[in-house]
Amino acid sequence: GEDVEQSLFLSVREGDSSVINCTYTDSSSTYLYWYKQEPGAGLQLLTYIFSNMDMKQDQRLTVLLNKKDKHLSLRIADTQTGDSAIYFCAESGAGGFKTIFGAGTRLFVKA
Amino acid sequence: NAGVMQNPRHLVRRRGQEARLRCSPMKGHSHVYWYRQLPEEGLKFMVYLQKENIIDESGMPKERFSAEFPKEGPSILRIQQVVRGDSAAYFCASSPQSGTPDTEAFFGQGTRLTVV
Repeated sequence: GEDVEQSLFLSVREGDSSVINCTYTDSSSTYLYWYKQEPGAGLQLLTYIFSNMDMKQDQRLTVLLNKKDKHLSLRIADTQTGDSAIYFCAESGAGGFKTIFGAGTRLFVKA
Repeated sequence: NAGVMQNPRHLVRRRGQEARLRCSPMKGHSHVYWYRQLPEEGLKFMVYLQKENIIDESGMPKERFSAEFPKEGPSILRIQQVVRGDSAAYFCASSPQSGTPDTEAFFGQGTRLTVV
């Protein structure tokens, strides 16, 4: 069945780059997303990429997609303490609503 | 424009009781989605509703769980005869139309259900 996997924890120093990785199994995925969840809050959509794209950049965020390997990554440049949160990778097919989420990667930023 | 409002934020129920979780979508949004987040896990899709219609309930357990989105009022996720395994965070999201990245689904803050 459909599955999305991510490493559970990442620790970086403030100012360094963070790279969060994700793999998925559904080859028919159309959209791939990165969400951010802060403690006690809902999910905030950070960025998304269509499956026919290799890369998308949005300010400090860079998303890389390797469709052949079904591998997605999120790079956060100049990571700040305010970036500490859980980051969820997610994918969906055409229509978008039945989104499959990974378990989330907890990013801890050390000052 | 208030965001997606879920209430209560925290709900404690004894085994066998009923839990009712409410979700008021953002103004102008007619599509509602419910997800469940178990501890240390990602979100699992449960159900997708439009006003007065269930579009996809493939993620809903076959028994004890039901959802509605009436013409007036919030969407309700109802869990009858709760068991300890129902303890989780339940998130609601809404969008103005069927989900595509251009019509972002906005999430509420979730209802954390604890069954004792």
